[in-house]
Amino acid sequence: QVQLQESGPGLVKPSQTLSLACSVSGGSISSGGDYWSWIRQHPGKGLEWIGYIYSSGSTYYNPSLKSRVTISMDMSKNQFSLKLSSVTAADTAVYFCARDWKSGTGAFDIWGQGTMVTVSS
Amino acid sequence: QSALTQPASVSGSPGQSITISCTGTSSDVGSYNLVSWYQKHPGKAPKVIIYEVSKRPSGVSNRFSASNSGNTASLTISGLQAEDEADYYCCSYAGSSTHVVFGGGTKVTVL
Repeated sequence: QVQLQESGPGLVKPSQTLSLACSVSGGSISSGGDYWSWIRQHPGKGLEWIGYIYSSGSTYYNPSLKSRVTISMDMSKNQFSLKLSSVTAADTAVYFCARDWKSGTGAFDIWGQGTMVTVSS
Repeated sequence: QSALTQPASVSGSPGQSITISCTGTSSDVGSYNLVSWYQKHPGKAPKVIIYEVSKRPSGVSNRFSASNSGNTASLTISGLQAEDEADYYCCSYAGSSTHVVFGGGTKVTVL
């Protein structure tokens, strides 16, 4: 049973870079077919897809965040990571990592429990 | 503003059926049979209840059904139960540039 677990600072200062990691257990991120994703939910708002990475290392980002987002993977640790630069209060949200098991088409079957990140000085 | 439009709230009495709409465009819902639906309880991670327009993952109640018509996807919950009270989000593939878009979510209240 694949499980995901987010980790990282819960507080980030404005203009700095938000960095989160998602550890994958019960399966390998290098296995083909799965897209490893980051999704966020602003307080009281809906879900927003941030981007995903495929096992080949190919990345795909939300056009509205593309200039600030980097998603990478570390196969030795079986985890993938999110970096969001130049953060502002508008980036305060719960960040989820998730697995898209249908070739990156928005079918997310496994989610982490989410981690709250607050951007504040 | 979310790419897909959902009603903010829908309510129904136990045992009733309700339908949630999800309106997109010809660039997403209208072009691909790749709409998924998620149930989200407060403080919990979303749970996929429908994928590829109308398919239910193993273990999801058959009280949940969904379909597409043109640029609008719909989720129906039949035999409404107290445990169905949650937020529901639609999601669609939107092509190789935009990739994935979500709806703004619909709060379902069981009266």
